[in-house]
Amino acid sequence: DQQVKQNSPSLSVQEGRISILNCDYTNSMFDYFLWYKKYPAEGPTFLISISSIKDKNEDGRFTVFLNKSAKHLSLHIVPSQPGDSAVYFCAASAKRFSGGYNKLIFGAGTRLAVHP
Amino acid sequence: DAGVIQSPRHEVTEMGQEVTLRCKPISGHDYLFWYRQTMMRGLELLIYFNNNVPIDDSGMPEDRFSAKMPNASFSTLKIQPSEPRDSAVYFCASSLARGTGHTDTQYFGPGTRLTVL
Repeated sequence: DQQVKQNSPSLSVQEGRISILNCDYTNSMFDYFLWYKKYPAEGPTFLISISSIKDKNEDGRFTVFLNKSAKHLSLHIVPSQPGDSAVYFCAASAKRFSGGYNKLIFGAGTRLAVHP
Repeated sequence: DAGVIQSPRHEVTEMGQEVTLRCKPISGHDYLFWYRQTMMRGLELLIYFNNNVPIDDSGMPEDRFSAKMPNASFSTLKIQPSEPRDSAVYFCASSLARGTGHTDTQYFGPGTRLTVL
């Protein structure tokens, strides 16, 4: 029962073009979403996040879009660069009104390859 | 600043042997997480600690897995006995919670690649 799904295991994009990575979720209680980037032999590193009160968050070449009605988010990278080649994980969490920490539920990841 | 440190980076062992993975979180962080990465399931949360206390171990696959955090700067994940299906990359992550109900960035270590033959 995967609550966060990344249905594309891999994506290949030409340098300079747009990369679009998709993520779907099933739990309507999720209200915070993150993208992590992972290079080989390294741990994932935080890339960008979005709260459910927004539908878009931008940071340089990276933009995350959230469609709550469709339970879908996407990460856009424009323009794509060879250094962006990595595995990208989508993650989600649900706010705990009683306090405490919100567990992150990760997707399986999408491997992005940006070629010259 | 040193990031999250994990050891060993690679571990090869035979089925039935005990395996111990180690983690040193970022100094001052009060949450520590253990994850397992597999091709099929991606990153799965196994267990997490707050101020050295285990909070949620619902992701621990079975009794063969155990985790401890004897102090704020050290945690272990033990598998006894190990099985081939335990082969995966195990990540430790730490975080500093700054607000109630708020999700804070987790900082991951480089992982331990475990192979059980």
